[in-house]
Amino acid sequence: GAGVSQTPSNKVTEKGKYVELRCDPISGHTALYWYRQSLGQGPEFLIYFQGTGAADDSGLPNDRFFAVRPEGSVSTLKIQRTERGDSAVYLCASSFPGAGGSTDTQYFGPGTRLTVL
Amino acid sequence: GQQVMQIPQYQHVQEGEDFTTYCNSSTTLSNIQWYKQRPGGHPVFLIQLVKSGEVKKQKRLTFQFGEAKKNSSLHITATQTTDVGTYFCARTPREGGSEKLVFGKGTKLTVNP
Repeated sequence: GAGVSQTPSNKVTEKGKYVELRCDPISGHTALYWYRQSLGQGPEFLIYFQGTGAADDSGLPNDRFFAVRPEGSVSTLKIQRTERGDSAVYLCASSFPGAGGSTDTQYFGPGTRLTVL
Repeated sequence: GQQVMQIPQYQHVQEGEDFTTYCNSSTTLSNIQWYKQRPGGHPVFLIQLVKSGEVKKQKRLTFQFGEAKKNSSLHITATQTTDVGTYFCARTPREGGSEKLVFGKGTKLTVNP
């Protein structure tokens, strides 16, 4: 596709439920990142994948959060036993290794707005 | 990792006025990136600065990286209503390659027509 896509665009769930958020990166991008953004804040890093493996999961807040990228393309962020504090916009980004020593440019998707009631 | 501090948090200007947002770090930055997020939208990459004292321009936007690589600024000349949005600076823990971004809290710009 032309850009990063995320589904669903909106998700409303009840406290305690399980949710899955999907990210489809730009074709050929090897790195995939998950962030979450609360109102009035900057995006906060959660996890990033290089290929199929999680290269850095230091931003996952606790063990209720888990993400996979089994074939090195689409990724799913899974949240168990959702809490009201999990309500936020979950953003996905992807990048392709650039030339030289500069940091790769990350291209963000439109996000999934998660509301936990 | 160390967060970057952005000021001001909000800026309201009349169309045609200039706008500047500042990004500061207590530690030396390997690089700094700037993103723009329109209301209801997602962050869009604007630029990356790597070299000490670097200045880059994109039309009415001027980006600077401090000599000590601890601060950066984004200046918009003669704002237009299309400039409305939140401007974020972001740092990476290390230089080069694929790296997580650590964002500042952003400066929200509103422009009165």
